[in-house]
Amino acid sequence: AQSVTQLDSQVPVFEEAPVELRCNYSSSVSVYLFWYVQYPNQGLQLLLKYLSGSTLVKGINGFEAEFNKSQTSFHLRKPSVHISDTAEYFCAVSDRDFGNEKLTFGTGTRLTIIP
Amino acid sequence: DAGVTQSPTHLIKTRGQQVTLRCSPKSGHDTVSWYQQALGQGPQFIFQYYEEEERQRGNFPDRFSGHQFPNYSSELNVNALLLGDSALYLCASSLAGNLVHEQYFGPGTRLTVT
Repeated sequence: AQSVTQLDSQVPVFEEAPVELRCNYSSSVSVYLFWYVQYPNQGLQLLLKYLSGSTLVKGINGFEAEFNKSQTSFHLRKPSVHISDTAEYFCAVSDRDFGNEKLTFGTGTRLTIIP
Repeated sequence: DAGVTQSPTHLIKTRGQQVTLRCSPKSGHDTVSWYQQALGQGPQFIFQYYEEEERQRGNFPDRFSGHQFPNYSSELNVNALLLGDSALYLCASSLAGNLVHEQYFGPGTRLTVT
């Protein structure tokens, strides 16, 4: 079984300040890792994914994340946030096996940008 | 290129009733997954359909059932609705054999059970 823990339910950040959203996971098998963003009253949009290779992954809208296998973490960062980044952010994992592609999500982190 | 579409966008039902939600996958995709997102929670996997069969299932009761059609579109059916079934229901599509397991999500159907 897999699980995802997002340690912060809400993160307020001033505009143009840096932000880090934390994600830890637990799994008995190798996984793929994802960050999704959900804007109000919308579905989920993929920000970035870690499959293999370089542990630093760059995504859309200036976000990046670093995979740390020893700490089983996949924290999301952005050096300078904008008002438009206000949204809910979800970390997710999936098993690498073919035919076992379900995503297991964390409970989400609400990012609020303060002007 | 049309993305994932879902209908209806909103739905209000009464306890005990039955509901059907619909999903059309992104063009070129053949696999459809359904997720339930309760208010303030992350999405939870309900089940996945591939080649018109349920391939994986999450921890949901048999009241939740689904179907996939030859054109890859899918339906989610929920019988004997409970107040706790109120949630945003998300459909995601993907391409089987795509090793990256990337899923594309639709905008969701907001179900309210009164």
